[in-house]
Amino acid sequence: GQQLNQSPQSMFIQEGEDVSMNCTSSSIFNTWLWYKQEPGEGPVLLIALYKAGELTSNGRLTAQFGITRKDSFLNISASIPSDVGIYFCAGLDNYGQNFVFGPGTRLSVLP
Amino acid sequence: EAQVTQNPRYLITVTGKKLTVTCSQNMNHEYMSWYRQDPGLGLRQIYYSMNVEVTDKGDVPEGYKVSRKEKRNFPLILESPSPNQTSLYFCASGGEEPQHFGDGTRLSIL
Repeated sequence: GQQLNQSPQSMFIQEGEDVSMNCTSSSIFNTWLWYKQEPGEGPVLLIALYKAGELTSNGRLTAQFGITRKDSFLNISASIPSDVGIYFCAGLDNYGQNFVFGPGTRLSVLP
Repeated sequence: EAQVTQNPRYLITVTGKKLTVTCSQNMNHEYMSWYRQDPGLGLRQIYYSMNVEVTDKGDVPEGYKVSRKEKRNFPLILESPSPNQTSLYFCASGGEEPQHFGDGTRLSIL
């Protein structure tokens, strides 16, 4: 099946720094979704992207739907301790409503 | 309050003993889906449903069944559980995509 790759796998940053992470695939996706998951909880939807080239913000978070439709990026500005968690991307495949998830980027924020 | 409710939250059982994990949403969503989460693999879709009486296989449907008799409920059924189905399971609902997730069900099959 289709697969998504996320990089980096994990990152440690200082509070106040900006964060960038990305999600790539060898296949085209029609929708990109970004989620955050904290321990013991289900993923929470952060941003949804529906068109190639689309740039969408949600507070300090900004995500972009890559022009090639094979990638997406998530940026977090001025990180704070509560940004800690695992960030997942997910894409809607070309064939139906099957959502494929990436393996996640684990973010740690040091005070 | 918008909610996706899964039950049970934790279950330890034995190989071959049929079990059902329930999922209910109160948002009148058309779309519901089930995922399993395993370390290093992220979430993998098991089944999804676009509406009542409409279900489709995701990436890892083997060993699982679902039903969608009512819009609000989407139970996951393991007819004959095996140890390789030990995992953390999530149910989700949304308009056309997984917008809201439940808090998860941790299943251990001995």
